[in-house]
Amino acid sequence: NAGVTQTPKFRILKIGQSMTLQCTQDMNHNYMYWYRQDPGMGLKLIYYSVGAGITDKGEVPNGYNVSRSTTEDFPLRLELAAPSQTSVYFCASSYSNRLARTYEQYFGPGTRLTVT
Amino acid sequence: AQSVTQLDSQVPVFEEAPVELRCNYSSSVSVYLFWYVQYPNQGLQLLLKYLSGSTLVKGINGFEAEFNKSQTSFHLRKPSVHISDTAEYFCAVSADYGGSQGNLIFGKGTKLSVKP
Repeated sequence: NAGVTQTPKFRILKIGQSMTLQCTQDMNHNYMYWYRQDPGMGLKLIYYSVGAGITDKGEVPNGYNVSRSTTEDFPLRLELAAPSQTSVYFCASSYSNRLARTYEQYFGPGTRLTVT
Repeated sequence: AQSVTQLDSQVPVFEEAPVELRCNYSSSVSVYLFWYVQYPNQGLQLLLKYLSGSTLVKGINGFEAEFNKSQTSFHLRKPSVHISDTAEYFCAVSADYGGSQGNLIFGKGTKLSVKP
């Protein structure tokens, strides 16, 4: 049981390049999330998904896109990288169940992205 | 909307001393409250959570927190810290929509530094 895995661990992009950050979970969680973490700013929600085929914007979605074709995978796409997207990106998942009252989010190890 | 304020960005403390990390929140609806810990170069891990019931909740690694609705606070405490507790701690809140959970809103984090 690997939990939430993210690839790559590190990446350097040039301005204007594109890339996809991969996220996979093996816990059969219905909810998945992408956050970015900037120093001293906590975590900000970029996009989230409540199930395969359903995604929605979070607090800071501009410059990013997501898709959720399977329960396990939730890739984050950067189309035209900008220096403002230099950050650490975390993927998380949870099983949202009103009866079980779980609500805990499980986080991946993160991807450190630098755009120069 | 919900918001979280962590009152201290850095807390230095000597080993075996007690520590309190302070967290205040604001919300117009009932909330769920969480503390997460992030060790260097890792993802976030849940320390403890308050969903309902007893206002004193116990978590992993000897940490506990008390929910105070009148003070809108959820302070984290440990009676005796270890070097291994050195990490960044995040308080987070989500809205309680009649048993369904809103998205997590994170505070900016408190860096706990335990000195020998």
